[in-house]
Amino acid sequence: DAGVTQSPTHLIKTRGQHVTLRCSPISGHKSVSWYQQVLGQGPQFIFQYYEKEERGRGNFPDRFSARQFPNYSSELNVNALLLGDSALYLCASSLGGSGSYEQYFGPGTRLTVT
Amino acid sequence: QKEVEQNSGPLSVPEGAIASLNCTYSDRGSQSFFWYRQYSGKSPELIMSIYSNGDKEDGRFTAQLNKASQYVSLLIRDSQPSDSATYLCAVNMRSDYKLSFGAGTTVTVRA
Repeated sequence: DAGVTQSPTHLIKTRGQHVTLRCSPISGHKSVSWYQQVLGQGPQFIFQYYEKEERGRGNFPDRFSARQFPNYSSELNVNALLLGDSALYLCASSLGGSGSYEQYFGPGTRLTVT
Repeated sequence: QKEVEQNSGPLSVPEGAIASLNCTYSDRGSQSFFWYRQYSGKSPELIMSIYSNGDKEDGRFTAQLNKASQYVSLLIRDSQPSDSATYLCAVNMRSDYKLSFGAGTTVTVRA
């Protein structure tokens, strides 16, 4: 079975621009979470979606938004990019039901803001 | 206080030795605990999950959980050069579905 897929793999943007990152979960998984990982730190939680509804949001500004589609894929949008948004953006897939907390990560999108 | 803290690295062990990684967490109500392995430039890979007090073994990996002490550890037996990576401890706190991660411990296995 295919794992979690993310696109694009790498992205270079300029300050002030907008970016959209995409994620497809493992087949049968209904929950998608987004994390930001900067060098030398563990991933930081941004959002979680389950059955197209936002189930949790981390401590990120409103410039960050996300959504989940009927096929359970997801998009993460970041507006007005700042240099500090440069990071590895990770999508994690999980079954989503009660008690199923194991999350499996995709390969990530490396975002560089110049 | 950080939600999840890991012992500072880097940790260097000789091939064939046991690598011991430690993690403490702040929320006593935490329910689920995970260890991820992350190779340089790659994404985290889930290697162990543990939900109950005690030990859980999977191949050369053993996870240990002590909820009373708010402590979880990972032992890597017979360490191999391919085990050289950063190991991330992740905790699912209470009914939150997010994972809270430690900063990671980098392990180097020297031949």
